[in-house]
Amino acid sequence: QLQESGPGLVKPSETLSLTCNVSGGSLSRGINYWTWIRQPAGKGLEWIGRFYFGGIPHYNPSLKSRVTISGDTSKNSFSLKLTSVTAADTAIYYCAGGNAAGTFDPWGPGTLVTVSS
Amino acid sequence: DIHLTQSPSSLSASVGDRVTITCRPSQSFSTYLNWYQHKPGKAPKLLIYATSNLQSWVPSRFSGSASGTDFTLTITSLQPEDFATYYCQQSYSSPYTFGGGTKLEIK
Repeated sequence: QLQESGPGLVKPSETLSLTCNVSGGSLSRGINYWTWIRQPAGKGLEWIGRFYFGGIPHYNPSLKSRVTISGDTSKNSFSLKLTSVTAADTAIYYCAGGNAAGTFDPWGPGTLVTVSS
Repeated sequence: DIHLTQSPSSLSASVGDRVTITCRPSQSFSTYLNWYQHKPGKAPKLLIYATSNLQSWVPSRFSGSASGTDFTLTITSLQPEDFATYYCQQSYSSPYTFGGGTKLEIK
């Protein structure tokens, strides 16, 4: 199971930081790819990026300059950092596991992050 | 980026009905099309992968197929638990993209 956590409110120009806690499995075994996806209110799902241990993270070009996804095996979690946020980054953020074929399973329930002063 | 056009965006149907949801990509590809089921407040779930392969938890009334450039999700004999939002997603090329979703509601 996956569970997102982090601040629900971030100020414009600051950094959004979220963590995904993985339970019932190891971050470095089994599911190989760890992913972040978001959904702004009233809009579709947007793939943010993914990483896997021993490889190079892979980001959506539209966000690449602002995104970092990394993992912490000691905590069995992985994280998302998005810098210089604006109101356009307000969304429900989901973490998900996945495979090399690019499917996403399982997902966390999502966490709403609002960017506002 | 590959844009996925899902239709319809919403659909009202009754228990027992057969429904079809279509996903049309902006450029042609084969196989790498996946479907997800999302219920409010819950985690989205992978329903079908690689066009037509059902996840182990998915009942056989669900099916996925491709015809020409289009991909289709079909649900025969709708059950109350099937009312949800469905998304297609392509894993053919990066960045991975999703369709706009189809909200399936009870008539």
